[in-house]
Amino acid sequence: NAGVMQNPRHLVRRRGQEARLRCSPMKGHSHVYWYRQLPEEGLKFMVYLQKENIIDESGMPKERFSAEFPKEGPSILRIQQVVRGDSAAYFCASSPLTGPYGYTFGSGTRLTVV
Amino acid sequence: AQTVTQSQPEMSVQEAETVTLSCTYDTSESDYYLFWYKQPPSRQMILVIRQEAYKQQNATENRFSVNFQKAAKSFSLKISDSQLGDAAMYFCAYRSPGNFGNEKLTFGTGTRLTIIP
Repeated sequence: NAGVMQNPRHLVRRRGQEARLRCSPMKGHSHVYWYRQLPEEGLKFMVYLQKENIIDESGMPKERFSAEFPKEGPSILRIQQVVRGDSAAYFCASSPLTGPYGYTFGSGTRLTVV
Repeated sequence: AQTVTQSQPEMSVQEAETVTLSCTYDTSESDYYLFWYKQPPSRQMILVIRQEAYKQQNATENRFSVNFQKAAKSFSLKISDSQLGDAAMYFCAYRSPGNFGNEKLTFGTGTRLTIIP
């Protein structure tokens, strides 16, 4: 039973390019969460999705960032026209349903904008 | 909005000794969940222990235990018989009970734990 799979593990983009981060939740999990971790900081919530629905995007920057979780395939976090300040580790987590469960996290994607 | 505070940016402990990491939180909710996560240099977030607020009994997982003081809104982590593999960043996290789509985790800023051989 594979865990939460994120790819790529490392991603380097030049300023102005697009970054696409992928997350495949654990088998049977239908809830996906994206978090961002800046250097030497804790994780900050970005967006919570269920299949084909964005439930809570209160942590997403208003511009350039979008997320989707289609009926088939992985969840995608998309960052358009990246800037240096987007450099961070982006984590995906999944859970099967609401309740007293801690999430299962992926290993993260480290995005570096040069 | 809920907030989580970890007031110890760094802690160190001698191998085989006991260490306690502090965490306080602020919430107006009566039911919620609390977690401790470990993040080693590999960056993987690993769930260490969790506590349901309605349970008075403190959670325990092998060498890891919590001291949950609901009235004081305190949730400390005790690591007994510290081992070199315990060296990591430790994050305290809060989660609402899960109604109405508000199941996100709110994290503290973390405590870096160093184990001294």
